[in-house]
Amino acid sequence: GAGVSQSPRYKVTKRGQDVALRCDPISGHVSLYWYRQALGQGPEFLTYFNYEAQQDKSGLPNDRFSAERPEGSISTLTIQRTEQRDSAMYRCASSATGGGTYEQYFGPGTRLTVT
Amino acid sequence: GEDVEQSLFLSVREGDSSVINCTYTDSSSTYLYWYKQEPGAGLQLLTYIFSNMDMKQDQRLTVLLNKKDKHLSLRIADTQTGDSAIYFCAGLNQAGTALIFGKGTTLSVSS
Repeated sequence: GAGVSQSPRYKVTKRGQDVALRCDPISGHVSLYWYRQALGQGPEFLTYFNYEAQQDKSGLPNDRFSAERPEGSISTLTIQRTEQRDSAMYRCASSATGGGTYEQYFGPGTRLTVT
Repeated sequence: GEDVEQSLFLSVREGDSSVINCTYTDSSSTYLYWYKQEPGAGLQLLTYIFSNMDMKQDQRLTVLLNKKDKHLSLRIADTQTGDSAIYFCAGLNQAGTALIFGKGTTLSVSS
C-alpha cells in the first residue's frame, strides 16, 4: 500500500518568507509526527498528533513554527518568517496507533533551503 | 531526557558480519528501534525490540539489548554492498510520543 508522502520534496525560499510543508500519512494511521533532521545528525522531534489533537509540541523550536491536522489525516507544518537556520530536512512519520509498539513509518522528507 | 549515542563510522568487507553499537540513557524506554537511511531516501524501519527482551532475530538482523548497561546492538550477518547506509538507533521517550535518535552510524561495505 501507499506509504507516507510529503510535499514538496524540495523547497527553496528566501529569508523572511513563510513556508508550508505537507504530510499525507499512511491511510488509517491515527498518529502523526514531525521531525527535523540537520545534516550529519539524527532526526529531532518537533510535534505529535493523535487524530486531530496536537498532544505534544514540546519540540517546536519557537513560535514561528506551527502545525495542524484539522481532519485527523493530512498535516501541515508551517514556518513563518523563515531564517537560514531553519534549513534542514523535515520528516513526517505516522503510526497505526498511539499505543502498542509505536512503529513509526517515515516519509521521504522535504528538503528546505532558506537563502 | 533521553540521550542516544552511537559510533559514527564502521567499515567492513562484503560477507563479514557488521555490529553497530548504541548506548542510551533513559532506562524507561519501552521500545528501542533501528532505522536505515540510504542516500536520498527516507528512513526505513528495520527492526525494534521491547525492553523486556534480550534478543530479537529477523533474517540477517540480530538485535541484542543489555538493559543493565543500557546498550543496544545491531548485527548484520553476511553484510552486502546494499547494506551500505546510515543506521540510526532510537528510543521511545517516556511519554510515548517521540523517538529520540542517535546521530547515526555510517556503514561502508567494500567488495
